[in-house]
Amino acid sequence: DVQLVESGGALVQPGGSLRLSCAASGFTFSGYSMIWVRQAPGKGLEWLSYISSTTYTIDYAASVRGRFTISRDNAKNSLYLQMNSLRAEDTAVYYCARCLMAGSGTYYFDYWGQGTLVTVSS
Amino acid sequence: SSELTQDPAVSVALGQTVRITCQGDSLRSYYASWYQQKPGQAPVLVIYDKNNRPSGIPDRFSGSSSGNTASLTITGSQAEDEADYYCNSRDSSNDHPVFGTGTKVTVL
Repeated sequence: DVQLVESGGALVQPGGSLRLSCAASGFTFSGYSMIWVRQAPGKGLEWLSYISSTTYTIDYAASVRGRFTISRDNAKNSLYLQMNSLRAEDTAVYYCARCLMAGSGTYYFDYWGQGTLVTVSS
Repeated sequence: SSELTQDPAVSVALGQTVRITCQGDSLRSYYASWYQQKPGQAPVLVIYDKNNRPSGIPDRFSGSSSGNTASLTITGSQAEDEADYYCNSRDSSNDHPVFGTGTKVTVL
């Protein structure tokens, strides 16, 4: 079975850093693009970052570009999100998800982790 | 960048049909995918590429699209369909994925 398990969420002070991990199993991780999505308390889903299977393509939402860095280690079946200069508004549950593209060019995300909570507060 | 707008909340009687809509300019170029999220749980893909259901998703869920509007229809709503639903598409201006604002579905 496909599994994605996030870890690394914690309480961190404003301006601090945190590294999230997403451990993948049950599929050939190196063959898939991956994304990070977050959900602030009581709010909707927000796409944050995308990384292609070979890391050739990486992209970020404007809200995190320059502060967050996505990476992956295909040998370890793991996805990462390095978060720097954290702000109160970054408080959210962070999800990793597997990303596919249909023939029409539409993205879709077929498997999600259970999420990890990041709280930015002094 | 593009936005995808959804009605904040809809209600449906048990066994009846409900349509959830998603509006945005990007939907003129790309189909939507749809995600169901129950409280405290991760989102689950229910429809992708306009009207395809992943394995395990009941056939009461269907998708459609016209112009700048995508729709998710639940035919014969069940109590377990009570959840938040989010559409997602591809922003045609920057290729970024974009989520809709979300719709809370209540089954009465």
